[in-house]
Amino acid sequence: KAGVTQTPRYLIKTRGQQVTLSCSPISGHRSVSWYQQTPGQGLQFLFEYFSETQRNKGNFPGRFSGRQFSNSRSEMNVSTLELGDSALYLCASSSPGQPYNEQFFGPGTRLTVL
Amino acid sequence: AQSVAQPEDQVNVAEGNPLTVKCTYSVSGNPYLFWYVQYPNRGLQFLLKYITGDNLVKGSYGFEAEFNKSQTSFHLKKPSALVSDSALYFCAVRDGKDFNKFYFGSGTKLNVKP
Repeated sequence: KAGVTQTPRYLIKTRGQQVTLSCSPISGHRSVSWYQQTPGQGLQFLFEYFSETQRNKGNFPGRFSGRQFSNSRSEMNVSTLELGDSALYLCASSSPGQPYNEQFFGPGTRLTVL
Repeated sequence: AQSVAQPEDQVNVAEGNPLTVKCTYSVSGNPYLFWYVQYPNRGLQFLLKYITGDNLVKGSYGFEAEFNKSQTSFHLKKPSALVSDSALYFCAVRDGKDFNKFYFGSGTKLNVKP
């Protein structure tokens, strides 16, 4: 099975712009979660989608949004970028139904905001 | 509240020596615990998980973890460290009631010196 893929791998934007990141989960996985990783804050949960519905949301401002398509692919969008949004954004998929199912992570998208 | 704590930001060990990376947790319901490893500029890779049963869990790359219910700990161990084990290690717990939620520790940087 192919792993979780994320595009693009690297992105450079300027303050005030918006950005869209994409994630394709492992085939058959319907749950997709997004995380922001920064050196100072560690791994922070953004949101989780299942069957095109957002099931959980972390403590991030409304500038961060996401969606999931019928094929389980997911996108996250960040509007009005700030310098502090520079981070590695990780997507993870899992097969729901069993609480012991682990999440599988993609390689991440490195976003740099100038 | 659910939480995971990794009390050490960094662990230094000499190659060939045993290593331990510590993790304690707080969760309602049954704990489903995971360890992940992250190499520079990469996503997280699953190492092992505890579901139930035997308190010693064996995982990838010679790693194992010991579950201790009374101490609410899930320490990662390896009998003989390799330089290539140098990476960032994350402990995670799945919410015992809301299985859609994962909680990650802050990460521990493991340095294995030749």
